[in-house]
Amino acid sequence: AQSVTQPDIHITVSEGASLELRCNYSYGATPYLFWYVQSPGQGLQLLLKYFSGDTLVQGIKGFEAEFKRSQSSFNLRKPSVHWSDAAEYFCAVGHAGNNRKLIWGLGTSLAVNP
Amino acid sequence: EPEVTQTPSHQVTQMGQEVILRCVPISNHLYFYWYRQILGQKVEFLVSFYNNEISEKSEIFDDQFSVERPDGSNFTLKIRSTKLEDSAMYFCASSILGGGQGETQYFGPGTRLLVL
Repeated sequence: AQSVTQPDIHITVSEGASLELRCNYSYGATPYLFWYVQSPGQGLQLLLKYFSGDTLVQGIKGFEAEFKRSQSSFNLRKPSVHWSDAAEYFCAVGHAGNNRKLIWGLGTSLAVNP
Repeated sequence: EPEVTQTPSHQVTQMGQEVILRCVPISNHLYFYWYRQILGQKVEFLVSFYNNEISEKSEIFDDQFSVERPDGSNFTLKIRSTKLEDSAMYFCASSILGGGQGETQYFGPGTRLLVL
């Protein structure tokens, strides 16, 4: 069965520190991979996506993610976190042949200390 | 920048009552979706809709749920007889295309439904 695992439920980092949020997926076919962010009271905003090609993808707000097929991972990174990055981060996978249904991880809540 | 909107932002209802959640997708998008997130659980796909019909639905989307595009702008989710376990955040999304293209789904802010 398709699944997405985000091992870290909650992470706290200091402002200016680097960040890595983990995402592992279980999928039998070529996945389409997404990271979304949800700030309080806001909808789910797309940070970045991977469909094919370069396995290192750049997104908005200075985020990037690297697709590693051998590890079934799609970890999200940011070199220097800002206080405004505090939010809930969701990893999701879509079927290469049918992107209509996204499978989601549980999310990682990020807190940023000043 | 165009965005998906949802109303109401919060709704409280009594068990057994009907609720209608409303969404206005981005205007040139052709595929529409509903997802829900029960507190503390994963976001779950409910249904996708294209060309005025359901294109895919999950096991959750049973007979008590229905979707409709009543006019050229709104997309609604109806729950006929709400249960306590329907309490969740409901997200609407839309995409220009769907299926095999990896098209991005754009999400609304959600409607938090509480069934008492």
